Amino acid sequence: ETGVTQSPTHLIKTRGQQVTLRCSSQSGHNTVSWYQQALGQGPQFIFQYYREEENGRGNFPPRFSGLQFPNYSSELNVNALELDDSALYLCASSLAGPGGYGYTFGSGTRLTVV
Amino acid sequence: DQQVKQNSPSLSVQEGRISILNCDYTNSMFDYFLWYKKYPAEGPTFLISISSIKDKNEDGRFTVFLNKSAKHLSLHIVPSQPGDSAVYFCAARGFGSSNTGKLIFGQGTTLQVKP
Repeated sequence: ETGVTQSPTHLIKTRGQQVTLRCSSQSGHNTVSWYQQALGQGPQFIFQYYREEENGRGNFPPRFSGLQFPNYSSELNVNALELDDSALYLCASSLAGPGGYGYTFGSGTRLTVV
Repeated sequence: DQQVKQNSPSLSVQEGRISILNCDYTNSMFDYFLWYKKYPAEGPTFLISISSIKDKNEDGRFTVFLNKSAKHLSLHIVPSQPGDSAVYFCAARGFGSSNTGKLIFGQGTTLQVKP
């Protein structure tokens, strides 16, 4: 059973650029959530995708968007990058669908905006 | 507005002793509380959870206690082992969030277990 895989592991971008982060869910998991973890803080919920649709969103602006594909993999897109977007981005997948909490987290993508 | 707080950034205990990690919350509308453990360069790993209708849940060396009147929960690790050294996050799921997967995390407590 494979876990959650995120790519890339590290990324450096310039302010104003756009970035796409990728996540492969654990085998059979159909729900994906994305979290942002700033340095010294706990993860903050960005949004969740279930059956290829966003079904929950945290306090993040519209320039944070996502996709879920038929194979349940997912992308997080961030437009017009700001310095404060520098963080660890975590993807988590679940088999239970909405309502489950037994998420498996990936190791994250470390994004640095300069 | 930090709804879930872990006020101790770090904790150091001796191997074999008890580790107690604390978490406070301000919102009564949480239905589940969870603890995650995170090693460097890895994602958080689910450790143990407790429903808001319970006051204790035990799993091996790990026990979580929930005091609803005080809006406080704690994670007890007995006996502590050096491999338990990690960052521990308390998280809560709100009623009505069951369909969105939203968890609210605390800031984390770094536990160091000394041999």
